[in-house]
Amino acid sequence: NAGVTQTPKFQVLKTGQSMTLQCAQDMNHNSMYWYRQDPGMGLRLIYYSASEGTTDKGEVPNGYNVSRLNKREFSLRLESAAPSQTSVYFCASNRAGGEKLFFGSGTQLSVL
Amino acid sequence: QQQVKQSPQSLIVQKGGISIINCAYENTAFDYFPWYQQFPGKGPALLIAIRPDVSEKKEGRFTISFNKSAKQFSLHIMDSQPGDSATYFCAALLSGGYQKVTFGIGTKLQVIP
Repeated sequence: NAGVTQTPKFQVLKTGQSMTLQCAQDMNHNSMYWYRQDPGMGLRLIYYSASEGTTDKGEVPNGYNVSRLNKREFSLRLESAAPSQTSVYFCASNRAGGEKLFFGSGTQLSVL
Repeated sequence: QQQVKQSPQSLIVQKGGISIINCAYENTAFDYFPWYQQFPGKGPALLIAIRPDVSEKKEGRFTISFNKSAKQFSLHIMDSQPGDSATYFCAALLSGGYQKVTFGIGTKLQVIP
């Protein structure tokens, strides 16, 4: 079982560059999420998609955009990367109303 | 606004000892309290969870103690093993509402032989 797959695993960007983080799940989950993890800050929700065709802002959405491409895929885009976006990004999914989040293995992003 | 306060941020325990991580929450509407375990280079994974209608839940060596009146809950790892070395996150949310989840800042546990 692949579960939640994120690509790439590592990325280095220069300030102002753009990139898209990809996420796909094979568990037929309705809901998908993007989190960022920073030391001393825990996990913070960037955006989520409760179902295919819907997206909503989380706690820290500024500087990011998302696309729920279909039920399986949920991408996160940085239009103009900033050093403050250096972080580890996790995609997660769960079934509607589910009590367990399934996380991918993360993308470590450095913005220089 | 930190709705879930987790402590300590780091913890070193000898093999065989008891590891204790504490969390305190503010919103009395929260009704689901999970703990996630994260190994280096991996995503978090659900370890154990509790609802406020019980004061304790045990799964193997892992126990959650819950104090509703104090708005506190804690994770106890009995007979801690080096394989338990990981980062642990507490969380609080309304049932089915991971859109509104608040995670603690995490506790990095190191179990030394």
